Amino acid sequence: GAVVSQHPSWVICKSGTSVKIECRSLDFQATTMFWYRQFPKQSLMLMATSNEGSKATYEQGVEKDKFLINHASLTLSTLTVTSAHPEDSSFYICSARKVTGGSYEQYFGPGTRLTVT
Amino acid sequence: AQSVTQLDSQVPVFEEAPVELRCNYSSSVSVYLFWYVQYPNQGLQLLLKYLSGSTLVKGINGFEAEFNKSQTSFHLRKPSVHISDTAEYFCAVRGANNLFFGTGTRLTVIP
Repeated sequence: GAVVSQHPSWVICKSGTSVKIECRSLDFQATTMFWYRQFPKQSLMLMATSNEGSKATYEQGVEKDKFLINHASLTLSTLTVTSAHPEDSSFYICSARKVTGGSYEQYFGPGTRLTVT
Repeated sequence: AQSVTQLDSQVPVFEEAPVELRCNYSSSVSVYLFWYVQYPNQGLQLLLKYLSGSTLVKGINGFEAEFNKSQTSFHLRKPSVHISDTAEYFCAVRGANNLFFGTGTRLTVIP
């Protein structure tokens, strides 16, 4: 199988504080992971592509200094929301790419609900 | 460039009735298509995928989809829905490096 976990599943924080979300591929190695953001009743918007051992690639309009991504190992990527504000409240979903032969699949984590008060 | 259009934002259907969720795509590269389901406050679960071969793809939970190149469509179907099928469904196309998602279709099964 291919399982991706996220921690925490939900978090409430005060405005101005920072929050770290972890994404782990439990039974495979992932050189590439993705971070998505989903607003209520909307689709997933890709925020950034995380590559192990190198800097993340951010999508247009995503503040790299606000959403810090670290992909320090082949099974772990972290997203840190710095100086969080209420408008950062959202559902954050990570995805890990599993490469098999000449093809690949993306597996999704269960998501993290962030509420900033 | 890749893009996906899901024509229906909401689809209500009675229990045990058939359903079709529509998806049209645009892709400038090889076409790899996916349908995902999302239950409330959960991540995405892969229902089925088309990579190559037979244009009729069968997935989990009794769902199937047909790849139609001439109509650039990949509609999702189920002959008889259950209450437990109530969820959000996303169609996606693979780009060079990641997936592009449609805006989703909310399927509501009415008892």
